[in-house]
Amino acid sequence: QSVLTQPPSVSGAPGLRVTISCTGSSSNIGAGYAVHWYQQLPGTAPKLLIFLTNNRPSGVPDRFSGSKSGTSASLAITGLQAEDEADYYCQSYDSSLSEWVFGGGTKLTVL
Amino acid sequence: QVQLVESGGGVVQPGGSLRLSCAASGFTFSSYAFHWVRQAPGKGLEWMAVISNDEADKYYADSVKGRFSISRDNSKNNLYLQMNSLRVEDTAVYYCARVFSGVIVFSPIDYWGQGTLVTVSS
Repeated sequence: QSVLTQPPSVSGAPGLRVTISCTGSSSNIGAGYAVHWYQQLPGTAPKLLIFLTNNRPSGVPDRFSGSKSGTSASLAITGLQAEDEADYYCQSYDSSLSEWVFGGGTKLTVL
Repeated sequence: QVQLVESGGGVVQPGGSLRLSCAASGFTFSSYAFHWVRQAPGKGLEWMAVISNDEADKYYADSVKGRFSISRDNSKNNLYLQMNSLRVEDTAVYYCARVFSGVIVFSPIDYWGQGTLVTVSS
């Protein structure tokens, strides 16, 4: 069971908007530790998508955005495209465990 | 360009040992910290260990503490993961991953290797 909780799956039609939540606690997200998001396309290694809550690395479309409030963070994807079908993971640090932690992952299906 | 290439995976019996390597190129290896992250078949990502750029700091997940050891050779641009007392549940793809920069607890992973598969089975 992951310290950071994500919905197992989300779906949306092309062109629409979806959000993926990442719920933590007072020892990780709520303690102010950074939240990062990774995209893993089928059969490939993960790729950094959003860092420090809401920053996009060079090359990541502005259709992807992040936010944080209290002990939770969210990834929003607007203008859904077929190539967005992937698994998405949030990541932070947990001070109680003294471990880097990942969410359980969310599978995005573009209908 | 940044490249991370893992090797050393394979099939090993429970209780056995394996040493994974990660060869880095395209950047100044000694300036960066690194993680090992694994992914069991069909499962999510699980953090294993991290090492600072100068090897002064090393941290491990509870699930592997005392069994796995992370190290590096800055003269060879290589990262290692020594895995002992392997269990069936250690079966996974193991990724080496570079820490972006700055304070490790706040920094993301900016580059990942392609992974190497470790299968623990009798």
